[in-house]
Amino acid sequence: QQQVKQSPQSLIVQKGGISIINCAYENTAFDYFPWYQQFPGKGPALLIAIRPDVSEKKEGRFTISFNKSAKQFSLHIMDSQPGDSATYFCAAISHTSGTYKYIFGTGTRLKVLA
Amino acid sequence: DGGITQSPKYLFRKEGQNVTLSCEQNLNHDAMYWYRQDPGQGLRLIYYSQIVNDFQKGDIAEGYSVSREKKESFPLTVTSAQKNPTAFYLCASSIDSGGGARLKLFFGEGSRLTVL
Repeated sequence: QQQVKQSPQSLIVQKGGISIINCAYENTAFDYFPWYQQFPGKGPALLIAIRPDVSEKKEGRFTISFNKSAKQFSLHIMDSQPGDSATYFCAAISHTSGTYKYIFGTGTRLKVLA
Repeated sequence: DGGITQSPKYLFRKEGQNVTLSCEQNLNHDAMYWYRQDPGQGLRLIYYSQIVNDFQKGDIAEGYSVSREKKESFPLTVTSAQKNPTAFYLCASSIDSGGGARLKLFFGEGSRLTVL
């Protein structure tokens, strides 16, 4: 079964620190790798995404690093703020039998201490 | 403002009862999805619809049913056959089911179902 393995399950970071969340996948047919951010009691929202032909993408304090040969990608949150406290999901989009489908990681609950 | 509206936000059900969760979107999106969220298990796909009057089973469709009679609406019925229905349910939509950025998911705020 296709999987995206996400770690750690939870993360506590001091304000101003760097938060790092890692994901690994097996299916080489994945062609798009988004990250979603979810605040408590809300639905997830797209944060940032990357294609496999790019090794890094940066948007403000958020950076995705992508290692195609290792089949790994990670989210770095620089200068982490208490407002970043949320659950983060990595995902990979697979293409099977003409249908595109999301495969989500299990989520990382981030808490940034003031 | 365009978006996804889910109702109710909280719902309590007795065992053996069917319940229907509403999902409406005004984004003019073709594709709609239902996900189930449980702690530590991420988001699991229940059903999806790429176009009106058509829908497909996801990974955990047993005990659920859907309809897609209008582009804007994709209600989910949790039937009494669902063994463990207590969960947070999320409805989402995307422009269509093409690849890459066209698959950006827009989520509603969710419905929390508790079986008593």
